[in-house]
Order: sequence, then C-alpha cells, then structure tokens
Amino acid sequence: GDSVTQTEGLVTLTEGLPVMLNCTYQTIYSNPFLFWYVQHLNESPRLLLKSFTDNKRTEHQGFHATLHKSSSSFHLQKSSAQLSDSALYYCALSDRGLSGSFNKLTFGAGTRLAVCP
Amino acid sequence: EAAVTQSPRNKVAVTGGKVTLSCNQTNNHNNMYWYRQDTGHGLRLIHYSYGAGSTEKGDIPDGYKASRPSQENFSLILELATPSQTSVYFCASGDQGWGNYAEQFFGPGTRLTVL
Repeated sequence: GDSVTQTEGLVTLTEGLPVMLNCTYQTIYSNPFLFWYVQHLNESPRLLLKSFTDNKRTEHQGFHATLHKSSSSFHLQKSSAQLSDSALYYCALSDRGLSGSFNKLTFGAGTRLAVCP
Repeated sequence: EAAVTQSPRNKVAVTGGKVTLSCNQTNNHNNMYWYRQDTGHGLRLIHYSYGAGSTEKGDIPDGYKASRPSQENFSLILELATPSQTSVYFCASGDQGWGNYAEQFFGPGTRLTVL
C-alpha cells in the first residue's frame, strides 16, 4: 500500500534560519497528489500546501514545496523560520480510486518543528 | 469556512464499555473520515464513508465500527473499549470530484481515555 516517510521526531531551529522538513513517499499510483498539513498546539490539522504537478513549486504562507516524482519527494521549505511556525507538520499522499474520485489520505508520522528565539 | 464539529470533546470510559463518538459537518461533503492521532504514528485512518449509508474500512479498523446515517453525520463506535484505544480522535470531511484536491477539513478532536 501507499506510505509516507517524514523527517523523524523533533526539529529545533533558531528563529531566522531556514526550514526544511523532508517527505518521501511510495505509491503504485503514477499521478499522486501530495499535501502538507500543519497542526498548531491544541488545534486540529489544516491544509498548508498541495501539489500534483511534477517539478512545479507551490507556495503558501511563506512555505514552499516541489513535487519531484523522480525521487518521490515533497520536501517542505521556508527561507526564514518564525516563532509562530512551531507546530506539528504532516506530509500526506492521496489515494485516488479507479473511478477517479479521491478515496483517502495516507499521512506520515509527522515532524514537530520547534522554533526558538 | 468549512465546519466540522465533534462530540464529546473529552470522554473517560471504562474497559469493556461502549463508546460512541459523533461528528457533524455542514459542508455538504460526500466523504467523511475518522482518524486517531498518536505520538510516533501520526494520523491513522480508522473508517471512512463516501456518503449516507456507506462505510469503508481504513487502515486500522479493528475494534471500531462506523455509521453514516446521513450526509451530515458520521459516528465512530467502540463496542468494547480497551485501554489501547486511548487516543485523540479526529473526524474530517472532504470532497471527491475530479480536479479537486480533496482537501480534508478536520474537526476539533475528541480526547478519549479508557481506564
């Protein structure tokens, strides 16, 4: 089945430094949809980024990611970390059924980002 | 703004007891999902539904049942709760059409403790 592997555990950064959270995936589907969800403390997950276009950079709220099908990767990046970026980040892969409709998402284990002053 | 609500928000149950978690969405989405969130495992799919009357097994369905009596409501049922089911449970809804990125909108979560 589908699987998603993320940078493990906790990533600690000093404010102002660049952010890179790794995400790689495995799927039998040739046209996967990839997502990054973010969950702040005591909140529910919400969509941050999404993409299905190979080698095209997608951006939102200062974060960006590029889907590379050749390496099955969708790494999340930001040029300069802010204290408010401290959160749990999930990479997810869509499972699209034979009918073409979306079935479900497969999430990675999550990476917690802690940004310090 | 998408709206998914869950009840109860917190629940303490005894081992062997029956627990029902409820979810309501006002987005008119066809798909609804139940996840549990555990440190080190992320979000794992328990059951999902394509519409009223349908339920499908997710990745970890054992020990759980689901019910979708209407477009708006989706319940998760633990017939015989066990301590291993202590977790935070999230409900989500999403659309499914072609050209749609199938964004999922999550409810606020239910913290379940089974003693």
